[in-house]
Amino acid sequence: EAQVTQNPRYLITVTGKKLTVTCSQNMNHEYMSWYRQDPGLGLRQIYYSMNVEVTDKGDVPEGYKVSRKEKRNFPLILESPSPNQTSLYFCASSRDISDPRGAGELFFGEGSRLTVL
Amino acid sequence: GEDVEQSLFLSVREGDSSVINCTYTDSSSTYLYWYKQEPGAGLQLLTYIFSNMDMKQDQRLTVLLNKKDKHLSLRIADTQTGDSAIYFCAESTGTASKLTFGTGTRLQVTL
Repeated sequence: EAQVTQNPRYLITVTGKKLTVTCSQNMNHEYMSWYRQDPGLGLRQIYYSMNVEVTDKGDVPEGYKVSRKEKRNFPLILESPSPNQTSLYFCASSRDISDPRGAGELFFGEGSRLTVL
Repeated sequence: GEDVEQSLFLSVREGDSSVINCTYTDSSSTYLYWYKQEPGAGLQLLTYIFSNMDMKQDQRLTVLLNKKDKHLSLRIADTQTGDSAIYFCAESTGTASKLTFGTGTRLQVTL
């Protein structure tokens, strides 16, 4: 089954304790992206990756890191989480970024709800 | 930068039509999308429209685009309880890295 898998789905942590949210897709997609969803703000892009070893900042990258060592995986790293990073996080991938129609057809994971105390 | 706005909440009765509206600011948008987010799940693409089209119909869904006013709407005919979800519009200038989402509209369907 084609899917984007995120782990963990739920996490409560404390300020300053490093954590990683993993994301894996089995569709051989080149493009992957992380978003955070907050009430009244919709989805905001954190980082994205056009291919292996190619990453770039989105709209709200502060406090986050990413890496893309393999095509299928795109982990999101919070080196020193703070309470304002409490949010619902989504990983997404896209099948064909060279096709403008395909570029907007994102496949999303089920989300990771993070609470930072 | 680009901005996409939606009203936050809409309540309709089962069987009625729902109309969810969206406005955007980027006149160079090439594709506009509607995504659906069911409770506890990620977003799923519902439908999309190319910017040179005025309307697109797909079963119970009708998308209307007024490019002059930069206004996009999604009409759901015969709304069912299973349509209860958050609906996001999104606009793209042609690359995945430039996809901008709206704030989302929560559709509540009542019996």
